[in-house]
Amino acid sequence: AQTVTQSQPEMSVQEAETVTLSCTYDTSENNYYLFWYKQPPSRQMILVIRQEAYKQQNATENRFSVNFQKAAKSFSLKISDSQLGDTAMYFCAFMIPNTGTASKLTFGTGTRLQVTL
Amino acid sequence: DTGVSQNPRHKITKRGQNVTFRCDPISEHNRLYWYRQTLGQGPEFLTYFQNEAQLEKSRLLSDRFSAERPKGSFSTLEIQRTEQGDSAMYLCASRPRTANYGYTFGSGTRLTVV
Repeated sequence: AQTVTQSQPEMSVQEAETVTLSCTYDTSENNYYLFWYKQPPSRQMILVIRQEAYKQQNATENRFSVNFQKAAKSFSLKISDSQLGDTAMYFCAFMIPNTGTASKLTFGTGTRLQVTL
Repeated sequence: DTGVSQNPRHKITKRGQNVTFRCDPISEHNRLYWYRQTLGQGPEFLTYFQNEAQLEKSRLLSDRFSAERPKGSFSTLEIQRTEQGDSAMYLCASRPRTANYGYTFGSGTRLTVV
């Protein structure tokens, strides 16, 4: 079974600063996807960024980037130039793609990020 | 594309009552998922539909829970004889056949059992 661990229940960052959220996972699979989802108070889970395990290059989406360390099973999210709108719960998630099963997501417990003025 | 729609947004019910939630996925998405999210936790997988077929169910889905997706369009999740432990956010998500990513989530139905 796959597990995802987020060891930082809460974090705070000042506007315009950079923050890094940590995530580790455990799996015996070699082919998988990793995701960061954002859940603002509006509750809708929004995909922030994804990483395919077979890609060595770290994914980047505008102000969001990841540090994917496959051997260490680590997948951290860096948010640059933090904005007030980044305030939300952030969930790390894991998925094994297209094995004839559900390709369901396994989530961590989340990190609550507060961006302050 | 109006996204994934869930109704109702909130439901308060007395213990022992039955409740039903509805999810309308993105129309071209043939895969639909239900997740449950309790306070302070990440979402946990409940069940999965491919078109109208329910192909996988979690052990979390007790026999009081039933889900359907008639005609492969909208889906309903029914909880019979609700218990206080059923209080949670119930999230629906859908994705297309061709993508191994790109789940689109709804805003969820928050259930409170009193």
